[in-house]
Amino acid sequence: QKEVEQDPGPLSVPEGAIVSLNCTYSNSAFQYFMWYRQYSRKGPELLMYTYSSGNKEDGRFTAQVDKSSKYISLFIRDSQPSDSATYLCAMRAGGSYIPTFGRGTSLIVHP
Amino acid sequence: EAGVAQSPRYKIIEKRQSVAFWCNPISGHATLYWYQQILGQGPKLLIQFQNNGVVDDSQLPKDRFSAERLKGVDSTLKIQPAKLEDSAVYLCASSLVTLTDTEAFFGQGTRLTVV
Repeated sequence: QKEVEQDPGPLSVPEGAIVSLNCTYSNSAFQYFMWYRQYSRKGPELLMYTYSSGNKEDGRFTAQVDKSSKYISLFIRDSQPSDSATYLCAMRAGGSYIPTFGRGTSLIVHP
Repeated sequence: EAGVAQSPRYKIIEKRQSVAFWCNPISGHATLYWYQQILGQGPKLLIQFQNNGVVDDSQLPKDRFSAERLKGVDSTLKIQPAKLEDSAVYLCASSLVTLTDTEAFFGQGTRLTVV
């Protein structure tokens, strides 16, 4: 079992839909949780990061962490075609600089 | 603020040849990472530097891969000799050093194809 599991998709939704992207993990030491967006032929860019459990909102994006279930989510409201990209979850333990990445979920938002 | 610069953007080589990638991190970022991203997978850390010292190179195939960060700024990653399975995007990232800072900024990557 990989430390971080993420469905590769692709996930295809119509413009304006609410998107839910998820990751599960097995390492209970993970405390910092990140979501990166990666456009084709570009490097990943950080979208959200959260510490421990709870929700964090930034514009149309909401990150949610449930440490008891070892499950994290990223919600995108009012999705736009420009949101079409691969979304990578990443997480690391406290005291470690090294994040472990999921394989990414490909999102396609069609007009 | 200038981002992480990498070169070249693309490289095609034959197996058993050698290749080198270059990275210039964001000014002031003490921590530098090299990741390998195989198509359809998430980035895998190869090596992490803090200033010019190696913090973690446990996943670097040291029989063929080497990396250095002279003077704690630019870094080069070398593969010698290359294998077909080394075909991937090599990403460089940098970040500030504090433990609470989780934001690593990535370059655009070098896409390596080994034929």
